[in-house]
Amino acid sequence: GAGVSQSPSNKVTEKGKDVELRCDPISGHTALYWYRQRLGQGLEFLIYFQGNSAPDKSGLPSDRFSAERTGESVSTLTIQRTQQEDSAVYLCASSPSGRAFSQETQYFGPGTRLLVL
Amino acid sequence: GESVGLHLPTLSVQEGDNSIINCAYSNSASDYFIWYKQESGKGPQFIIDIRSNMDKRQGQRVTVLLNKTVKHLSLQIAATQPGDSAVYFCADALSGYSTLTFGKGTMLLVSP
Repeated sequence: GAGVSQSPSNKVTEKGKDVELRCDPISGHTALYWYRQRLGQGLEFLIYFQGNSAPDKSGLPSDRFSAERTGESVSTLTIQRTQQEDSAVYLCASSPSGRAFSQETQYFGPGTRLLVL
Repeated sequence: GESVGLHLPTLSVQEGDNSIINCAYSNSASDYFIWYKQESGKGPQFIIDIRSNMDKRQGQRVTVLLNKTVKHLSLQIAATQPGDSAVYFCADALSGYSTLTFGKGTMLLVSP
């Protein structure tokens, strides 16, 4: 079946503009995660959605970052007033129910490469 | 958090060699561990996982070793192939908790 998809695959924007990144999780997966990966570095957790529960926003770096999810489907990550430091790959992952057991592997999308000029 | 330089630790091996990639984790309460492989331009891909009640688990050409005493995780790749060239990340989590904490990553370069 289809994996996690993200769009756009690449985004170039000017400093100060807002951007919106989209993630389509695997159908039936109730948990959805956003991560940021700066060049040559590891993954930095941003936000986690699990069903109808309040999202875990503990990883969002500033109030310029926000994310929404409609039910158990599409999620959008919005970055307002982008800064050059926001340049990174933004990865989305989904898992069946969000529990940390072996069958609950997170499946990652290909990422959106954001470049802020 | 810990600062990370732009250059990942790199392991260079010859095709056919065995590779060992190491990872240290910080949370002694973590009880679920995963290794991911990330090829250039792609998202991370699950390789193998292990629970804290085990110290070794084997997959196809890969073995994960867990040493909880020193909070160390390793990934062994047997008969490394050029297609194994990628960045490898370890991640850990608490049972029942979904947020994974990722390590810094190690770049594996396999020469033919």
